[in-house]
Amino acid sequence: EVQLVQSGAEVKKPGESLKISCKGSGYSFTSYWIGWVRQMPGKGLEWMGIIYPGDSDTRYSPSFQGQVTISADKSISTAYLQWTSLKASDTAMYYCARPRGLAVAGSNAFDIWGQGTMVTVSS
Amino acid sequence: DIQMTQSPSSLSASVGDRVTITCRASQSISSYLNWYQQKPGKAPKLLIYAASSLHSGVPSRFSGSGSGTDFTLTISSLQPEDFATYYCQQSYSTPWTFGQGTKVEVK
Repeated sequence: EVQLVQSGAEVKKPGESLKISCKGSGYSFTSYWIGWVRQMPGKGLEWMGIIYPGDSDTRYSPSFQGQVTISADKSISTAYLQWTSLKASDTAMYYCARPRGLAVAGSNAFDIWGQGTMVTVSS
Repeated sequence: DIQMTQSPSSLSASVGDRVTITCRASQSISSYLNWYQQKPGKAPKLLIYAASSLHSGVPSRFSGSGSGTDFTLTISSLQPEDFATYYCQQSYSTPWTFGQGTKVEVK
């Protein structure tokens, strides 16, 4: 079974750092992009960025460029989303998702989703 | 970035109703348009990809159409399990932007 399993919920203080994870299984991890999607409480979905674990090619949304870092460790089939200095406005559910196809643009869509990681930033 | 605009933002409907949601792109995206369903507390699920292709396991009452800048998602006969929020998303170019969502509520 193809699946993505994300790390557990986090509660952090403003200014702290954080790295959450997304482990893929049941498929060739290095052959598919993995994306990250933010959902703030009661709000819609926001595409943050995407990484190709095979060569670490990474694309960011301009809205998130410089605010987060997306990485992957193909030896353990895991993608990461990290912050160096969290803000209260980073409070959100974060999903990782795998597209059904191999292209980063064109006919493609997220068909496999992780269960989500809730990040709460509060003093 | 390509902007995606859905309408309406919410709608009220009854079981058995035909429901149509519209999504408009700020520029032509060919047929690179996807639709997702999200229920409270759950991850989104893919319904339709490439504007009109039904994802595996999705009931045939869901259908999509359109190309260029204007797209629609239609639920032919709304079922109790279809009350949810629906999002369109373009995959024409990164960033793969989402629409703001359409919440389908019980009338």
